[in-house]
Amino acid sequence: GAGVSQSPSNKVTEKGKDVELRCDPISGHTALYWYRQSLGQGLEFLIYFQGNSAPDKSGLPSDRFSAERTGGSVSTLTIQRTQQEDSAVYLCASSFAPGTTDTQYFGPGTRLTVL
Amino acid sequence: GESVGLHLPTLSVQEGDNSIINCAYSNSASDYFIWYKQESGKGPQFIIDIRSNMDKRQGQRVTVLLNKTVKHLSLQIAATQPGDSAVYFCAARSMEYGNKLVFGAGTILRVKS
Repeated sequence: GAGVSQSPSNKVTEKGKDVELRCDPISGHTALYWYRQSLGQGLEFLIYFQGNSAPDKSGLPSDRFSAERTGGSVSTLTIQRTQQEDSAVYLCASSFAPGTTDTQYFGPGTRLTVL
Repeated sequence: GESVGLHLPTLSVQEGDNSIINCAYSNSASDYFIWYKQESGKGPQFIIDIRSNMDKRQGQRVTVLLNKTVKHLSLQIAATQPGDSAVYFCAARSMEYGNKLVFGAGTILRVKS
């Protein structure tokens, strides 16, 4: 497709379970970002991938959070042993060439609810 | 550290009027700024951006103004329409923090018909 896609659109899980969220960036975009948005809040940076460089993980809130990007394209954000405070919308964005315009294009997000 | 914040959490305007949404940033090294619009249930949508070597940039019905002296950014929407109702976020980037964008908390724009 033409835009960033994310799946699933909604995920309800029980506390303590692991979840995987998927992001398909725009074709040709070298940079991929994950953000978290809590209800009525701004976007909180989680992790950033650029090409083959080591990812910038400085925003990950705990070691329960991890992400990988395979083949420089699709990315998966994994949350282990989910907690209720992990409930939020998880947004993925991609950009063509960070360091120049860095216009990030966002997907629709995955709404995660931890019961 | 970097922080970006908005002066007004909610703005209500009459259809047809102009809207001005304000944003302040803390890092004088910020070199790139973006405004995003987010409608309910959707991801943020790019509106307009501006580099620090500019103080004004215009798009279709939107204008972004940058005042580096007071570290202030504004988004002006001309002839506001009901479809403009959304949450608006400003974001700033400085190379000091890599390529991450730092987002403000958002301003809700409500357009009254």
